Amino acid sequence: QKEVEQNSGPLSVPEGAIASLNCTYSDRGSQSFFWYRQYSGKSPELIMSIYSNGDKEDGRFTAQLNKASQYVSLLIRDSQPSDSATYLCAVNLMIYNQGGKLIFGQGTELSVKP
Amino acid sequence: GAVVSQHPSRVICKSGTSVKIECRSLDFQATTMFWYRQFPKQSLMLMATSNEGSKATYEQGVEKDKFLINHASLTLSTLTVTSAHPEDSSFYICSARIRQETQYFGPGTRLLVL
Repeated sequence: QKEVEQNSGPLSVPEGAIASLNCTYSDRGSQSFFWYRQYSGKSPELIMSIYSNGDKEDGRFTAQLNKASQYVSLLIRDSQPSDSATYLCAVNLMIYNQGGKLIFGQGTELSVKP
Repeated sequence: GAVVSQHPSRVICKSGTSVKIECRSLDFQATTMFWYRQFPKQSLMLMATSNEGSKATYEQGVEKDKFLINHASLTLSTLTVTSAHPEDSSFYICSARIRQETQYFGPGTRLLVL
């Protein structure tokens, strides 16, 4: 079982719609969760971080975390063509005596059609 | 967000030569930086964790003698690909860790070995 799983997509939504991206993880001890956006040929850009159960909103983005079910999701409201990118879910894994490191999912490709 | 730079952004070299990539945190001090590699259509693969003033921690399967990491100051980590071969051609991305396990990524270095 992969440590962080995402549907690879592509996920296609019309402009103005809500895009819903999902991620599950296997380590119950994880406490820090992140969503990154990566445009083709570019490096990842941090969108959201979430640490507590529930919702966290930032502009058009809402991250949702449910530690009991081990999933984290990202909602993008009023999707724009410029949101078309690959979205990476990352979960922090603590390693004894080494600190933490991020484990990335394979990414979900989002395409927003005008 | 925090700013991380990388240099060079792109490098082409002959097989057998060594290439050094620099990663700098511009507006904060980073005791921990990370080096990733990304092949086309794949997710990020962590290569090593770079800790200021100590030896890097390499992920399983990453040759420490081939990928030399030096983190001599709180704002600079370097990755040297020694005796590069065509299979080392990839997108190398560094990140710097700031509060609560958050990582900010540099713009990446695209390496092509001929």
